[in-house]
Order: sequence, then C-alpha cells, then structure tokens
Amino acid sequence: QKEVEQDPGPLSVPEGAIVSLNCTYSNSAFQYFMWYRQYSRKGPELLMYTYSSGNKEDGRFTAQVDKSSKYISLFIRDSQPSDSATYLCAMSDNYGQNFVFGPGTRLSVLP
Amino acid sequence: DAGVIQSPRHEVTEMGQEVTLRCKPISGHDYLFWYRQTMMRGLELLIYFNNNVPIDDSGMPEDRFSAKMPNASFSTLKIQPSEPRDSAVYFCASSPFTGGPYNEQFFGPGTRLTVL
Repeated sequence: QKEVEQDPGPLSVPEGAIVSLNCTYSNSAFQYFMWYRQYSRKGPELLMYTYSSGNKEDGRFTAQVDKSSKYISLFIRDSQPSDSATYLCAMSDNYGQNFVFGPGTRLSVLP
Repeated sequence: DAGVIQSPRHEVTEMGQEVTLRCKPISGHDYLFWYRQTMMRGLELLIYFNNNVPIDDSGMPEDRFSAKMPNASFSTLKIQPSEPRDSAVYFCASSPFTGGPYNEQFFGPGTRLTVL
C-alpha cells in the first residue's frame, strides 16, 4: 500500500460544477496537509494547507481533513475552465520538510 | 522575484552519458529540494538541503545520482551514467525558514530529461 493514495482520474466536469478531490493516507504521524495545483508542463504551486483536522476555506476552495479516517478532501465551487490542472495532495509530519505527495488527480473543467 | 530557476528545461541524452541539472533557488530561502516526477511513481523527493548541507538523501535512487549545493544560490543534480529509466521531469523547489515546522515549498518549472 502506498503511503498516500489518490484517484488519478481523469475527472471531467462541466463549468460551474462542484468538484471533490480526495486523498487517503496511512501514516498517522502526518500533521500538515497541502493541496498543490500543477498546470501542464509547469511546476506544482501551493493552493492551500491545513494543520491537523478541520476545514479551511479560501475563495472557491475548501480543504477538509479528517485525521480519524486518514482522509483529506479539496472542494472547488463554481469550477472554471482555468481550474483544469492536476491536483496533488501532500503531507508532512511535525518536522515539516519531508513532503509526501499523492500521485495527483487530473481535472478537466469543460466550458 | 524570478522564482526558482532550473536549467536546462529539456535534456535529451544517450544511455551512459553524464547529465547535470542545475537549480537556482529563490534568494533568501534556506531549504532546497530535488524531486523527480514520473507517471508511474508520481512526485518523489530525492534529497533536500538546509543552508547548503544535505539533510536527507534517502530518496536518491542509487549511487549514480549525486547532488551538491556549493553555495546558497546554486545546486546541481548529477546522474552518471544515465539510464533510460531515469527519464522523468526533475523539479527543484526551495522554501524559507519561518521558525515553524511548516514552510511552503516553491517549485521551479522542471527539467524534462529523456535518456535514449
């Protein structure tokens, strides 16, 4: 079993849809949870990060962490074609520097 | 700020050749990371440095890979000899030290390596 699992997709949705992206993990030591967005032929860029369990909202994006289930989610409201990218979840323990990335979910938002 | 700079952006080489990838981190950042991304394995951390000192190289796949950071503004990842299975996109990232355990990593555009 990989340390971080993520459905690779591709996931295609119509513009304006609510998108749900998810990761599961096995290491209970993970405390920091990140979502990175990667456009084609570009490096990943940080979207959001959360510490421990709970929700965090930033504009159209909401990140949720459920440590008891070892499950994290990213919701995108009112999805736009510009949201089309690969979304990578990442996690680290309290030492912070060694990030473990999920394989990424490729999202296409169709106009 | 120009962000993390990597060169070359694309490299095509033949099996057995030496390959050197270069990275200039964001000025003032204390940490530098080298990652490899493939379809099969996703994004994997190879090695990271703190203040030019290698801290964790457990992700370096084998002795053919080596990384150096001679100063705060430059790092290299070398593969010698290269093999077709080394074909991947190699990313460099840097992060500042904020005093807390979590520091955002900023990624460069990557070097796409093809070994024939």
